[in-house]
Amino acid sequence: DAGVIQSPRHEVTEMGQEVTLRCKPISGHDYLFWYRQTMMRGLELLIYFNNNVPIDDSGMPEDRFSAKMPNASFSTLKIQPSEPRDSAVYFCASSRRGGPKLGYTFGSGTRLTVV
Amino acid sequence: AQSVAQPEDQVNVAEGNPLTVKCTYSVSGNPYLFWYVQYPNRGLQFLLKYITGDNLVKGSYGFEAEFNKSQTSFHLKKPSALVSDSALYFCAVRPSGAGSYQLTFGKGTKLSVIP
Repeated sequence: DAGVIQSPRHEVTEMGQEVTLRCKPISGHDYLFWYRQTMMRGLELLIYFNNNVPIDDSGMPEDRFSAKMPNASFSTLKIQPSEPRDSAVYFCASSRRGGPKLGYTFGSGTRLTVV
Repeated sequence: AQSVAQPEDQVNVAEGNPLTVKCTYSVSGNPYLFWYVQYPNRGLQFLLKYITGDNLVKGSYGFEAEFNKSQTSFHLKKPSALVSDSALYFCAVRPSGAGSYQLTFGKGTKLSVIP
C-alpha cells in the first residue's frame, strides 16, 4: 500500500499563473478530501468527493479554485489565477466506506508558494 | 456546525514526565473524536479515535485519550513523554450521524519534549 500520493511536493509559482495539484488516493477508498493548512487558519476542508462525485465544496474559497475527480484513482485541485494569499500546504486525504469512523489517510502534502 | 478548540498553541514537557494535550469540542448529537499527529514536512497520521464504548481510548505510540461527555473534552495523554513525541497534534470531530463525513480539526498544539 503506497498510501495517498500527492504531487508535486513543492510548487513555487508567480502570481497570476495556473497551479494544478494532484492526488492519488488509496485503492479502494471511495472518499477523497482536500484540505488547506496555514498558520493563521489551521486545517480547512476545501472539498470532498464520494465515489468521484463532489459532495460538499462549501470550503472552496472562491471561483479561482476548482477540483475534479475524473476517476477513482485521481483528483486535481486547480487554482487559476493564483495569488500570494493562496500560499499554504495543501493536503489530500482518503478513506473508505465506513472509513470516516476509522479516520483518514493523509498524503504528505504540496507546499505551494505564490510569489 | 461542529468545532474544536485546542486552547494551547504549545505545550512543553520534560522527557519522562506525563503529558496532556487539551481538546474540547462542539457537535450536534454524539461525536466521533480523533487525534492526529504531524511531524515536520509530513502529512497527518492517525493516532486514536473515540467512537463509542469505553471513555478511555488507547492508541499508537503509548498515547491515550479520555472522552468526557459532560465537559465535551477529549484530552490526549501519555504517562511518560519521549523526545520523539515532539510534533504538532490535532484533535478532530465529526457528528456520528450519517451524511456528514468531513472532520473538523482544531488549530493544533505544538508539543515539545525537552531532553
